[in-house]
Amino acid sequence: GAVVSQHPSWVICKSGTSVKIECRSLDFQATTMFWYRQFPKQSLMLMATSNEGSKATYEQGVEKDKFLINHASLTLSTLTVTSAHPEDSSFYICSARVYRGPNTEAFFGQGTRLTVV
Amino acid sequence: SQQGEEDPQALSIQEGENATMNCSYKTSINNLQWYRQNSGRGLVHLILIRSNEREKHSGRLRVTLDTSKKSSSLLITASRAADTASYFCATEADMRFGAGTRLTVKP
Repeated sequence: GAVVSQHPSWVICKSGTSVKIECRSLDFQATTMFWYRQFPKQSLMLMATSNEGSKATYEQGVEKDKFLINHASLTLSTLTVTSAHPEDSSFYICSARVYRGPNTEAFFGQGTRLTVV
Repeated sequence: SQQGEEDPQALSIQEGENATMNCSYKTSINNLQWYRQNSGRGLVHLILIRSNEREKHSGRLRVTLDTSKKSSSLLITASRAADTASYFCATEADMRFGAGTRLTVKP
């Protein structure tokens, strides 16, 4: 299958600082990437859909100024949590969509555990 | 709203038994995908079934798709303790997830 690399796998930051998470498709080009947030024992919540070269589409209730998404190339999307606070502590996961013939499949990164202290 | 909704939300079985979980979706699809997530990890792509397929096998996994009912099922045969994980479905049209099915396989 296709490989999606997410970095870092975990990060601890101080309240008020910003954190950048990278999502790379290693062996394919991804015109669309997705960013999710997951709290313990809960499902993945879609935060935004990112299309290469255009602005991300955010889900209702997700602050676009707080969660900055950049998808400047076909293999890289970044999520920046700005002015992080303890309530932003969560598990963040990205996925990248790949086209295979008439179908699309989505592959996921390993996730990033963010702890804001 | 979530596109893929799984049930049951929790399933506990003994090793060797079969596990069946279901997924319902709302709109027309080209394909549906099943994923597994171990605690604290990313999602692993298990299997994709196209809208013109009714059943697909991969090792101990068997997936069915009923487009008239907008539902799919995932069967894991001869379960192992290592199958303990959460399982999710998603359609290519909508990458939102339901609550998933938390499967526990007891040794």
